[in-house]
Amino acid sequence: QPALTQPASVSGSPGQSLTIPCTGTSADVGIYNYVSWYRQDPGKAPQIFMYDVDKRPSGVSNRFSGSKSGNTASLTVSGLQTEDEGDYYCCSYAGSGTWVFGGGTTLTVL
Amino acid sequence: EVQVLESGGGLVQPGRSLRLSCTVSGSSFADSALSWVRQAPGKGLEWIAFIRKEVYGGTPHYAASVEGRFSLSRDDSKGIAYLQMSSLKTEDTAVYYCTRVNGGLFDLWGQGTLVTVSS
Repeated sequence: QPALTQPASVSGSPGQSLTIPCTGTSADVGIYNYVSWYRQDPGKAPQIFMYDVDKRPSGVSNRFSGSKSGNTASLTVSGLQTEDEGDYYCCSYAGSGTWVFGGGTTLTVL
Repeated sequence: EVQVLESGGGLVQPGRSLRLSCTVSGSSFADSALSWVRQAPGKGLEWIAFIRKEVYGGTPHYAASVEGRFSLSRDDSKGIAYLQMSSLKTEDTAVYYCTRVNGGLFDLWGQGTLVTVSS
């Protein structure tokens, strides 16, 4: 059972906004700002998509934003586009050199 | 271009051992903290091990699911990290990714190596 909770899937129409929540505990998401998101396309290795809660690596569209409130982190996309489809995983540092992942969310553009 | 490369995957019988290797090209290996993340077929990502830079002691840390069975080490003179996996179980079947750790994130990923545990 993944330590962080994400919805298995989210979907929306082009142009809409979507948010993927990632719920952890006061031992991980709630206490560390080392929350990151990874995107994985089919058959490929994951790639960093958002880090330190709200920092975007170069190459990631500014339509994506990250946030955190309490034990829940969120990845929000505005102006949904078909190229945004993929699997998204949240991850949090959990102290003492350990990390935890969410179960992953499949984003579908209708 | 900095790249992470894993090797050593394959088919192994339950209860046996297997060793995976990880190298980093295009950047100083000694300056790289590393983790292993695995993904069972059709499942999500699971962090399993982390090793600090040697300058910070090279201390390994493990997820509970592999503690006591897996051992992560590094040889900076050869630029290789080793994940020694023992007492393998069918549930260890997965693609194993080596990642570079930068602060709190996994900023570079290898292409993955498949480990299949089956009789």
